Amino acid sequence: NAGVMQNPRHLVRRRGQEARLRCSPMKGHSHVYWYRQLPEEGLKFMVYLQKENIIDESGMPKERFSAEFPKEGPSILRIQQVVRGDSAAYFCASSPPNPSKNIQYFGAGTRLSVL
Amino acid sequence: DQQVKQNSPSLSVQEGRISILNCDYTNSMFDYFLWYKKYPAEGPTFLISISSIKDKNEDGRFTVFLNKSAKHLSLHIVPSQPGDSAVYFCAASRRTGNTGKLIFGQGTTLQVKP
Repeated sequence: NAGVMQNPRHLVRRRGQEARLRCSPMKGHSHVYWYRQLPEEGLKFMVYLQKENIIDESGMPKERFSAEFPKEGPSILRIQQVVRGDSAAYFCASSPPNPSKNIQYFGAGTRLSVL
Repeated sequence: DQQVKQNSPSLSVQEGRISILNCDYTNSMFDYFLWYKKYPAEGPTFLISISSIKDKNEDGRFTVFLNKSAKHLSLHIVPSQPGDSAVYFCAASRRTGNTGKLIFGQGTTLQVKP
C-alpha cells in the first residue's frame, strides 16, 4: 500500500541551475497538491493539479516555477534558475477523486538546498 | 495575512496528562479543519478532522473541538504518550469553489516527557 512517493529526498543545486521535483500520488488518487515549507514556518500552498489540468496555482511564484501532472507519469514541480531563497522543503500531497472530505495525504518531501 | 494561527510555538507535558493544542482562524468561509502531525524529516501525517457543522470529533485518544463563534479549534490528546512528541499543524479549507488548498498554521512542537 504505497503512499505518496517523492523523489529525490534531497536535492542540491547551485544558483542558476534547474530543479525538478517528482511526485507519484497514492494509488487511485487523481488530485495532486504542492506545498513549500520554509524553516520555522508552516506549509504554504503552491499549486493544485488534476490529470493534465492546473486547477489552482494561486500560490505559485509568478516566475521560474511551473508544475505539471501529465496523463502518464508523476507530477513534476520545476524551478528554473534557482536562487538561495528557493531552499526549502517541498511537499506533495494527493487525494482521491471527488473527495467528500478535503483530506490530503503527504509524501516525505524533497529538501532543496541551493548553494 | 496569516489566516490560520497557532500562537504557541511549543508545549511540554508529562506522560499520561492531557495535551491541548490551540488554533485560531480568521476566515469565516473555512468549513473544514484538519490536524496533522509531523516528525522531523518526514511529511505531515493526517490525524483527525472536523466539519464546520460539528463542534466535536473524537478518534481514540484524539479529540478536536470547534468553536465557530470564536473561530477557534483545539486538539486534545489524552493520555499523552512520548511517541506523540512531534510538530502539530492545524489546517483549514473551503470545500466549495473547487479549491483544494489547505491553509496551515505555523505549527506547535509538542514534547511529552516520560
